[in-house]
Amino acid sequence: DAKTTQPPSMDCAEGRAANLPCNHSTISGNEYVYWYRQIHSQGPQYIIHGLKNNETNEMASLIITEDRKSSTLILPHATLRDTAVYYCIVRGDQGGSEKLVFGKGTKLTVNP
Amino acid sequence: ETGVTQTPRHLVMGMTNKKSLKCEQHLGHNAMYWYKQSAKKPLELMFVYNFKEQTENNSVPSRFSPECPNSSHLFLHLHTLQPEDSALYLCASSLGLATGELFFGEGSRLTVL
Repeated sequence: DAKTTQPPSMDCAEGRAANLPCNHSTISGNEYVYWYRQIHSQGPQYIIHGLKNNETNEMASLIITEDRKSSTLILPHATLRDTAVYYCIVRGDQGGSEKLVFGKGTKLTVNP
Repeated sequence: ETGVTQTPRHLVMGMTNKKSLKCEQHLGHNAMYWYKQSAKKPLELMFVYNFKEQTENNSVPSRFSPECPNSSHLFLHLHTLQPEDSALYLCASSLGLATGELFFGEGSRLTVL
């Protein structure tokens, strides 16, 4: 079972920041938070991941709360092409075969 | 373009047919995965291979038979499937099992009549 809770859907206006929340209250100290997205009829795409520090790359920023029980993925300037299902996943990185377990995600719709 | 190529993109087969899905990656990765995505359901992990060796079989029925001849190629052989097996089958690869950064293909959309 997925260890995260996400709202089923969100809307965002084009050009505005999209802030996607994720709750992971049972996260362990060695577990990372991963974000993927899946555009309709395509395979999932890795976005970003983090342990406890905030992370930023060319796609998005990841803000993790100090207690690590929740996080927010930020798309700073959403475009229509960002319309997708966004998955927040908690996964350990112990060097073993930790599974990547996908939940239902948040369907983000970016409106013109 | 993710570097992971799946063929065919679409497949329609009868319950008595035998068919295969193919996945190829040009990323130099050592781990490969099969996932299944049914309508209205989350992605389900089916199989994991690491350096050609199967490390995970997530209680998948034997009518699905994976094959990994080398680290760049992964097959999913299908036989005597059921209509409920209709789904999007996704292949992914990663540098190794330790990372959660997977690269997915576009998927093979399977319809079983």
